[in-house]
Amino acid sequence: DAGVIQSPRHEVTEMGQEVTLRCKPISGHNSLFWYRQTMMRGLELLIYFNNNVPIDDSGMPEDRFSAKMPNASFSTLKIQPSEPRDSAVYFCASMVGGNTIYFGEGSWLTVV
Amino acid sequence: GENVEQHPSTLSVQEGDSAVIKCTYSDSASNYFPWYKQELGKGPQLIIDIRSNVGEKKDQRIAVTLNKTAKHFSLHITETQPEDSAVYFCAASSGYSTLTFGKGTMLLVSP
Repeated sequence: DAGVIQSPRHEVTEMGQEVTLRCKPISGHNSLFWYRQTMMRGLELLIYFNNNVPIDDSGMPEDRFSAKMPNASFSTLKIQPSEPRDSAVYFCASMVGGNTIYFGEGSWLTVV
Repeated sequence: GENVEQHPSTLSVQEGDSAVIKCTYSDSASNYFPWYKQELGKGPQLIIDIRSNVGEKKDQRIAVTLNKTAKHFSLHITETQPEDSAVYFCAASSGYSTLTFGKGTMLLVSP
């Protein structure tokens, strides 16, 4: 099994630019999560989908952040416009049934 | 909502010693408690989990204990090795909520 696949692994962008992070969950998993990790706040849940439908987006920091899941094998997290305080590692994770969540390797975002 | 506190934030041990990381949670409805290990530059990986119908679970050098009355659970690593050095996260959830993570413990095992 390939695991959760994220791209890009690393991105450096200028303030004001649009950033799109991509995720392919584990095949057969019906829940998908986007987390943000920073030293100050630890692991924060931004949004999660169940069967491609957004269930809880209360963790999305503001309107500059949006997430979509057009089908069971693909999701995007978009930041527009990006700001330096958005610099973090963004993790995608997926789950089927139960409670075991499997994480991807993360997308390291730096906004300068 | 759920609140998970994790201690200590950093832990240094000598190779061969034991390491213990403790977590407390607030929601009495929580019934699933996983532990994740995150190595530098990688995503968190599940290493062991426990559900509320058991008090202890072991997997080789790793064990987790759960005290539902006191709402705390702990990770025990015996005979630590340098490759155990990483950040460890505890988490808690009920059947109706997503995982809430602790802030993490950086474990450093010195040869």
